[in-house]
Amino acid sequence: SQTIHQWPATLVQPVGSPLSLECTVEGTSNPNLYWYRQAAGRGLQLLFYSVGIGQISSEVPQNLSASRPQDRQFILSSKKLLLSDSGFYLCAWSRGGGELFFGEGSRLTVL
Amino acid sequence: GQQVMQIPQYQHVQEGEDFTTYCNSSTTLSNIQWYKQRPGGHPVFLIQLVKSGEVKKQKRLTFQFGEAKKNSSLHITATQTTDVGTYFCAALKAAGNKLTFGGGTRVLVKP
Repeated sequence: SQTIHQWPATLVQPVGSPLSLECTVEGTSNPNLYWYRQAAGRGLQLLFYSVGIGQISSEVPQNLSASRPQDRQFILSSKKLLLSDSGFYLCAWSRGGGELFFGEGSRLTVL
Repeated sequence: GQQVMQIPQYQHVQEGEDFTTYCNSSTTLSNIQWYKQRPGGHPVFLIQLVKSGEVKKQKRLTFQFGEAKKNSSLHITATQTTDVGTYFCAALKAAGNKLTFGGGTRVLVKP
């Protein structure tokens, strides 16, 4: 069966510090991978998606970046965090346009 | 770009009563999906609708896709405390890999 792992689950970072969130998928190959952000009590905003290794599409301009160094690994990064980067970050995978399977999420607080 | 509007934003329901949440798009959709996110959790896939006018049921939940494939609804009968959470619709753009999420309906149940 397929599983998705995302870490860390929570982190508190000072403004201007770097960020790295990691997501891995097991039990499937060549998945579509996604990073979403959810502000408190709000909807899901698509940040990045990838249909293959090294292929990243960005949905919104921001100081975040994503990379896919391996087929089932998706990384969300920032060189310098802003206060507005606080939120709940969700990694997800899918087969084509099918249902999304979400990770447990990473709750980021930037102080 | 494609936007998906979801109403109401909040729904306070007395336990045992019914309610409906609606999802509307300005463009024709390829398909629509529904997710439920429990407080503090991650979104979990409920169902996908593809055909015009399609109706699907899951126990007390009834999902409907509009004839014009521009809107959808989720109706819950005899609400229970386990129904608490945020319900999101998500629309797939034609020939795309990205789901656009509505803002969600946050459901609170009064015992």
